[in-house]
Amino acid sequence: DQQVKQNSPSLSVQEGRISILNCDYTNSMFDYFLWYKKYPAEGPTFLISISSIKDKNEDGRFTVFLNKSAKHLSLHIVPSQPGDSAVYFCAATYYGGSQGNLIFGKGTKLSVKP
Amino acid sequence: ETGVTQTPRHLVMGMTNKKSLKCEQHLGHNAMYWYKQSAKKPLELMFVYSLEERVENNSVPSRFSPECPNSSHLFLHLHTLQPEDSALYLCASSQELAGVGHETQYFGPGTRLLVL
Repeated sequence: DQQVKQNSPSLSVQEGRISILNCDYTNSMFDYFLWYKKYPAEGPTFLISISSIKDKNEDGRFTVFLNKSAKHLSLHIVPSQPGDSAVYFCAATYYGGSQGNLIFGKGTKLSVKP
Repeated sequence: ETGVTQTPRHLVMGMTNKKSLKCEQHLGHNAMYWYKQSAKKPLELMFVYSLEERVENNSVPSRFSPECPNSSHLFLHLHTLQPEDSALYLCASSQELAGVGHETQYFGPGTRLLVL
């Protein structure tokens, strides 16, 4: 049973518009969430994270929102750029959890069209 | 060189071969990880090392054998693999163990493995 779900395998957005990537989780113990970006032939690159004590974290064009009651988080990219085209993975863990256990979703492939 | 490096980047091997994947991190981290990424599946954690000691083995078949000679190097020894083991193998490191604290893992570029 998947504890971290990214239900949209792909998303296409026009350059300059907002990209919204969604992630749902089932384990209420998760208290730390991360987003990674992955280009073809490269490993995942850390993008942004959020602790469960917050509901929003912003870093430049990237903002992550956390809704604990809905067990849902989203990544907003504004404005989207063609270089943002990549696969985005949501990941979750919790303090004191099984050692090393960062649980990943399957990823959402974002395509930003010029 | 900085970050996490992996060699080789691509590997083709037969089912009777023995090969090794190498990972090196230049970040001064204490924890290192092996992940497997198969098509259309989430990243699967295989092994975790903290301060050169294995702390997690997620029910990985014995044909995969990890080795961590020091905190900067991690190997994955492969022998008698099956075609279904073909995947992208990713190495990662973090300052301390993820889960023990809120640690960010930094990934290498991966080794694309094809087993014939």
